[in-house]
Amino acid sequence: DAGVTQSPTHLIKTRGQHVTLRCSPISGHKSVSWYQQVLGQGPQFIFQYYEKEERGRGNFPDRFSARQFPNYSSELNVNALLLGDSALYLCASSLDPGAYEQYFGPGTRLTVT
Amino acid sequence: GQNIDQPTEMTATEGAIVQINCTYQTSGFNGLFWYQQHAGEAPTFLSYNVLDGLEEKGRFSSFLSRSKGYSYLLLKELQMKDSASYLCAAPPYGQNFVFGPGTRLSVLP
Repeated sequence: DAGVTQSPTHLIKTRGQHVTLRCSPISGHKSVSWYQQVLGQGPQFIFQYYEKEERGRGNFPDRFSARQFPNYSSELNVNALLLGDSALYLCASSLDPGAYEQYFGPGTRLTVT
Repeated sequence: GQNIDQPTEMTATEGAIVQINCTYQTSGFNGLFWYQQHAGEAPTFLSYNVLDGLEEKGRFSSFLSRSKGYSYLLLKELQMKDSASYLCAAPPYGQNFVFGPGTRLSVLP
């Protein structure tokens, strides 16, 4: 059975541009969370979605947005990119928001120049 | 709020035992999680403690003391492949995961 998949694997963007990152959860999982991990630090929570509704939001500016589709896949959008947005963006899926075990995808490495 | 603290780096020798500590302060509690993350890869789940005490799983064990806001991950019979970052997470009840800064473990031959 396939695990969590993310695309693209790597991405290079210029300041001011926008980016869309995609995530497909494990089959049967209805909850998706997004994290930003800057090099040398732990993942920072951005969003959680469940049944297409936002269930949690971390301390990130409005430039960050996300959505979940009927098939439970998800997109993370970042507008007006800044150099500081360069990071590994991780997607994690779980059965539901209350499930204690999250499964992480391989991540998307975003570099903003 | 949530505050999680871990040592930044640790070094140990192959075959040895190492203990990675984690302290947390939270207004609520929904269990203590440990994840392993190899460089450039996604975190993988190691353990989950919700009650006080020691949980053993092969070479890895995790301990929790809720009254002290303290946990540790114990790695026995260290192998080179155990070189990785170890992340502690203590999400407040009903909220989402908050990870600590991670401890980078280097296992030397």
